[in-house]
Amino acid sequence: AQKVTQAQTEISVVEKEDVTLDCVYETRDTTYYLFWYKQPPSGELVFLIRRNSFDEQNEISGRYSWNFQKSTSSFNFTITASQVVDSAVYFCALSVPSGGYQKVTFGTGTKLQVIP
Amino acid sequence: DGGITQSPKYLFRKEGQNVTLSCEQNLNHDAMYWYRQDPGQGLRLIYYSQIVNDFQKGDIAEGYSVSREKKESFPLTVTSAQKNPTAFYLCASSIDGLAKNIQYFGAGTRLSVL
Repeated sequence: AQKVTQAQTEISVVEKEDVTLDCVYETRDTTYYLFWYKQPPSGELVFLIRRNSFDEQNEISGRYSWNFQKSTSSFNFTITASQVVDSAVYFCALSVPSGGYQKVTFGTGTKLQVIP
Repeated sequence: DGGITQSPKYLFRKEGQNVTLSCEQNLNHDAMYWYRQDPGQGLRLIYYSQIVNDFQKGDIAEGYSVSREKKESFPLTVTSAQKNPTAFYLCASSIDGLAKNIQYFGAGTRLSVL
């Protein structure tokens, strides 16, 4: 069975602070994919990044960066110099193949509030 | 503009009533999904469909039904058998059912019980 743990339920930071959102996953599959999605107040989940289990390269995209470590089964997300527009719920998700379809397990989400 | 459209945005159900949530996509995706989101919980899969005229139960299918008569459409019916329907419902689609695929989401329907 797969499991995704986002231990931080809510985080508040002051604008321009850096913040890291933690994600720990469990799976026995050797091939899997990890995702981060952002859910703004409007409701729809917006895709941010995807990593596969064979690619441990960290990635940076503007103010966003992701640290994937298989040794600790973690896929953490850092926002540098946070802005009010970053306020949202962030979901980490694990996708594995399952009988020909995509079985996705979502974490419970971390609500980030950036205070001006 | 390609995307997923869910309607209505808000829906109210009376006891004993069935209600249907609409999900339409113009992304030409084969796979479509319905998730339920409750406060403080992650998304839980209700039903998914890999192709027209085929769909499978997810983790919490009881009290729900779906159809997939057209590629673009995947409506979800919340039946009277679903005793706790109040939740936020999200529809998603992906190119196909491979694990690597990104899922694209609609803006959701918030269902409440009167």
